[in-house]
Amino acid sequence: AQKVTQAQTEISVVEKEDVTLDCVYETRDTTYYLFWYKQPPSGELVFLIRRNSFDEQNEISGRYSWNFQKSTSSFNFTITASQVVDSAVYFCALRESGTASKLTFGTGTRLQVTL
Amino acid sequence: EAGVAQSPRYKIIEKRQSVAFWCNPISGHATLYWYQQILGQGPKLLIQFQNNGVVDDSQLPKDRFSAERLKGVDSTLKIQPAKLEDSAVYLCASSSPSGTRPYEQYFGPGTRLTVT
Repeated sequence: AQKVTQAQTEISVVEKEDVTLDCVYETRDTTYYLFWYKQPPSGELVFLIRRNSFDEQNEISGRYSWNFQKSTSSFNFTITASQVVDSAVYFCALRESGTASKLTFGTGTRLQVTL
Repeated sequence: EAGVAQSPRYKIIEKRQSVAFWCNPISGHATLYWYQQILGQGPKLLIQFQNNGVVDDSQLPKDRFSAERLKGVDSTLKIQPAKLEDSAVYLCASSSPSGTRPYEQYFGPGTRLTVT
């Protein structure tokens, strides 16, 4: 069965610091998809990125970057120069190869960015 | 395009009462999901519909929870009778094999249920 582990429950940083959120996953499928979602206080899940298991290229989008390493089953997320608006709970999730399969979420990491 | 709609946004009930949540997916999305998110945890799938048929309800507590999607569009999730441990946010999501993000799940704002 698939599993996603986010060992960091809560992280606090000061604005402009860089921060990395860790995600480790388990799956027996060779084809799978990894995701990061942001959940601000309003509660809605905001899609950030999707990665498929065949694409290990790191990705950068503005201040966000993602490091996918199949060898360690990790998909870490880094925010560079954090801002107060980045404060939220961040979830890593896994979807196995079925095209309409369910998402399995980690327990989330709460990020608090202060001035 | 309009997003996934859910109502109500908030609900407070006493234990042993019943409650129903409504979800209207994005137009044309055949697949609909209900997730339960308990405070401090990630969302957990309760039930998945493909049109009006159930694909996966393995984690739905069927003694008290029920869900339907009669015409393959809107869906209702019901809890009867509610327990204290049902306090959670109930998220609805939908997906489609076509569009800019095929098979990706779009989430609604959720319904926050408090059982006292």
